[in-house]
Amino acid sequence: DVKVTQSSRYLVKRTGEKVFLECVQDMDHENMFWYRQDPGLGLRLIYFSYDVKMKEKGDIPEGYSVSREKKERFSLILESASTNQTSMYLCASSYPRREKETQYFGPGTRLLVL
Amino acid sequence: DQQVKQNSPSLSVQEGRISILNCDYTNSMFDYFLWYKKYPAEGPTFLISISSIKDKNEDGRFTVFLNKSAKHLSLHIVPSQPGDSAVYFCAARTVTSGTYKYIFGTGTRLKVLA
Repeated sequence: DVKVTQSSRYLVKRTGEKVFLECVQDMDHENMFWYRQDPGLGLRLIYFSYDVKMKEKGDIPEGYSVSREKKERFSLILESASTNQTSMYLCASSYPRREKETQYFGPGTRLLVL
Repeated sequence: DQQVKQNSPSLSVQEGRISILNCDYTNSMFDYFLWYKKYPAEGPTFLISISSIKDKNEDGRFTVFLNKSAKHLSLHIVPSQPGDSAVYFCAARTVTSGTYKYIFGTGTRLKVLA
């Protein structure tokens, strides 16, 4: 079974703090993704990576950066947390296949920025 | 610009009846569609998918229908069970920078009444 783990389930930070969210997958997947989930907005893609040290902006990258130094680990960084970054953050990984590709999600990190 | 829309935020169905969840999309270049199910405090889990070259895919109680001319996707659950109560997201796949990227809908909360 694919396992995607996220470093924290719940996190409380103060405005202006630098925040690191870590994600690790154990299936040697090429692709990794960071989403945020907000009520009424669904899942929105922040950044994704298709290989080590490679990254691509998603739909809402402003205020975020990412790091992928090892294949199994994909980190999301909030350089200076703001209250509008309070959200549920979901990490996912997948192996790129034309047919039957699916994403495997971690349990999520609920971040509260005060 | 919401490329994937789930216009019903919630749906209630009696146990044993059929649940029909709908999804509309605007981009005719999407080549693959998926449904995910999400319980509270957990990450989404893959449910069923369909390629754009097909119009139906069935897996046990779950069937996904694709109408390309209408740009419409639906998920049928029959018979519905209380354990099916969750938020359902549809997602569509596109290619960006040579890799796959997913666009998610806003989700429909299904409640199956015992």
